[in-house]
Parts: sequence; C-alpha cells; structure tokens
Amino acid sequence: GESVGLHLPTLSVQEGDNSIINCAYSNSASDYFIWYKQESGKGPQFIIDIRSNMDKRQGQRVTVLLNKTVKHLSLQIAATQPGDSAVYFCAETQGNTPLVFGKGTRLSVIA
Amino acid sequence: DAGVTQSPTHLIKTRGQQVTLRCSPKSGHDTVSWYQQALGQGPQFIFQYYEEEERQRGNFPDRFSGHQFPNYSSELNVNALLLGDSALYLCASSLDGITYEQYFGPGTRLTVT
Repeated sequence: GESVGLHLPTLSVQEGDNSIINCAYSNSASDYFIWYKQESGKGPQFIIDIRSNMDKRQGQRVTVLLNKTVKHLSLQIAATQPGDSAVYFCAETQGNTPLVFGKGTRLSVIA
Repeated sequence: DAGVTQSPTHLIKTRGQQVTLRCSPKSGHDTVSWYQQALGQGPQFIFQYYEEEERQRGNFPDRFSGHQFPNYSSELNVNALLLGDSALYLCASSLDGITYEQYFGPGTRLTVT
C-alpha cells in the first residue's frame, strides 16, 4: 500500500501497552473535536468525538480527553494491538464549519 | 449499508490536463465535502456541496470546481493541472450540512507528471 505520511511524528509502543496521542487545536470557538485513524491507502476512519462541554469521553478501548484551557486534546488507546498501527489525526469544527485537521501522528505497534 | 465510494482509485495525468473525480455518499446522506491530502499532511478542505449547491469553500483556486447531482453524488473537477495537485483526494459525506459526523471514502490518488 501507499504511505500516508512519510515525515510525521511517530509513537512506538509495545503490544499490550497503552498509547497516548496528543493534539493541539487552534480555534477556541470549535465545538466538536474528532479523532480519525488512517491506515495506509485508506481514507480517515472515525474513532471517537467529544463536544466542548465535556472533558472526557470513553469508547471501546479508547478515551479522549479535552483541556480547553490549553487547547489540548489527547487520545488514549488501551492495550494497544498491531491493528492499531496507523496515522492518527485530530480534527475540530464548530459543527457546520469545515473540519480542520491537526498534524498527524504515526503509531507503530511493536509485537 | 453502503459506505462512501470514490472512483477512480488511482489516476495519472499530465500537467495542463483536466480531471474529474467522482463520489457517492453513504446511504441516506445528502452532504458531500471534498478534501485534498498531500503526502505527510492532514486533509485540507476544498469545498462542500449540500442541496446541489456549493455551500462552503476552502482556500483553493477556481481551477477546482464541483457539482452535486440530485441523487447526492458529487464530482470534483480540476482544470489546468499542476504538479502540486498530486495528492490523495478524499470525499466525505454527512447529513444536513453538518461536519462533525462525516464518513470518508477511500480516496482517489492523483499523480500529475
């Protein structure tokens, strides 16, 4: 398959460990924050989102934390698996404004 | 439940040529957004179509144009191709013009030589 990003920040974790991917956003008016996973040769896949009136949201093996004070978003993946290897992007929107994507992070899981 | 589909998968064009990319939204969706993703970058918003009209546009020149059909499918046209137009073009669909719940297609890889 083709590479999605050749010069992205990379996070390498051992299989079974927890992963934390961070993102800084820019617009204080953003109301929705979304994490996407993008595998090589594929389009972004929705993982989880959080609204600005929340500071934590949990999904299956994933947790998103939002700190509006410092405009910071993080994605925690529990018990990381080889299938989690991909590029992860955060995105922000006011709900009906275009998605603005952050810089991606490449997650590599070491078996 | 049919997801977002795009065609073609890959395309190679020469500088100066024109290209048309196609997108069919997820079943039940009426809004289509197009994004350009250069290698190593996050997707950049091109424009959004809702009710067959361009509703929002990103910072892209007029060489980039589009269309939405009554069945909600959409086309992206790029004229006078430049080498810098080489990228992955992504289509995303949603409902009622919202953008926080978009579903992305697999993309069309355009290479301009």
